[in-house]
Amino acid sequence: GIQVEQSPPDLILQEGANSTLRCNFSDSVNNLQWFHQNPWGQLINLFYIPSGTKQNGRLSATTVATERYSLLYISSSQTTDSGVYFCAVGTQGGSEKLVFGKGTKLTVNP
Amino acid sequence: GAGVSQSPSNKVTEKGKDVELRCDPISGHTALYWYRQRLGQGLEFLIYFQGNSAPDKSGLPSDRFSAERTGESVSTLTIQRTQQEDSAVYLCASSLAWHEQFFGPGTRLTVL
Repeated sequence: GIQVEQSPPDLILQEGANSTLRCNFSDSVNNLQWFHQNPWGQLINLFYIPSGTKQNGRLSATTVATERYSLLYISSSQTTDSGVYFCAVGTQGGSEKLVFGKGTKLTVNP
Repeated sequence: GAGVSQSPSNKVTEKGKDVELRCDPISGHTALYWYRQRLGQGLEFLIYFQGNSAPDKSGLPSDRFSAERTGESVSTLTIQRTQQEDSAVYLCASSLAWHEQFFGPGTRLTVL
């Protein structure tokens, strides 16, 4: 099955810093989502981005499907950005299940 | 509108007991999914329902796990003869066909 690798596994920032999270996947995808899991465990949808570039406030994401990677950019980080960021992909030809990476744990210090 | 809801939010049970977890999807969403998240891990797919099609059960870890869905409405995940390794957060998601998935808050299951 498809493999999803996220990097870095852990990231510690000072408030106000910028960061880039990466997601590599091993096969063609028809779905790619970025999630933020907050300290209470809730998965919050950030982007639905099987291809192209999107922006939402301080966050933006780019997926280059032909090269099998996606990037999540966080600018001017805040302490409330802390948590785990997951990339998840869905593949063509099968069910619509998502395959998740292991996540990037982000800690933003004041 | 209302998001995906799950109940109970927490469930503590004794080894060997059966448990039922409930998921109410977003109204109008034809697809429903169950995932499991062990402590400190990513999410693992369990089962997928889409309309009247046969469910994709390929992620169920053993025959102690089963799930049902009534039409395009509520779903229940049943775990029989629970084991300690079943302890995890069980998350439900729903979506329109081939589109963005939205997750519920999860049920935290603890098997003593």
